[in-house]
Amino acid sequence: GEDVEQSLFLSVREGDSSVINCTYTDSSSTYLYWYKQEPGAGLQLLTYIFSNMDMKQDQRLTVLLNKKDKHLSLRIADTQTGDSAIYFCAETVSGNTPLVFGKGTRLSVIA
Amino acid sequence: GAVVSQHPSRVICKSGTSVKIECRSLDFQATTMFWYRQFPKQSLMLMATSNEGSKATYEQGVEKDKFLINHASLTLSTLTVTSAHPEDSSFYICSAPLQGEKLFFGSGTQLSVL
Repeated sequence: GEDVEQSLFLSVREGDSSVINCTYTDSSSTYLYWYKQEPGAGLQLLTYIFSNMDMKQDQRLTVLLNKKDKHLSLRIADTQTGDSAIYFCAETVSGNTPLVFGKGTRLSVIA
Repeated sequence: GAVVSQHPSRVICKSGTSVKIECRSLDFQATTMFWYRQFPKQSLMLMATSNEGSKATYEQGVEKDKFLINHASLTLSTLTVTSAHPEDSSFYICSAPLQGEKLFFGSGTQLSVL
């Protein structure tokens, strides 16, 4: 079946850039998502990218997609303490099919 | 603002009772909604796909009679955990697609069964 892999932990200093990486196995993935989850809360959609795109930028967030290697990354510029959370990578074939999630990367921002 | 509303956010119940969780799409219609379960410090596992006007589709290993799903309208899906037991304690979260590509999530429901 489909699989999505992420590193479990990332620690950065406030003001630095954070890069969270994700790999997936389903070559038919069409939509790739990044979600943020704070303790005890639901998932906040940060951004998403179509598989025919290489990059998407939204304010401090930059998503890079290497479809050939099935590699997705999320870069957070000027990381703040409020960015501390778990970040989930997810993929799906269409918007009406369920997401396959990675295990999440816990980002810790050190002041 | 939130586009998917989930209620309640937290519920504590006694073993053997049933708990209903509601998931509403706000200002848009969702013929499909998804229900996930998340254990502490783990990823989300899809439980079932809720389809408006028809039966839900359950993932392998999910008991249909235990987790009743009703998608009665285009904006409301409910998950009822029947005869809850402590092992059902978990974080349950729903999602609904908007415009066919944006999948938004509710704020989740933390269920604790005593």
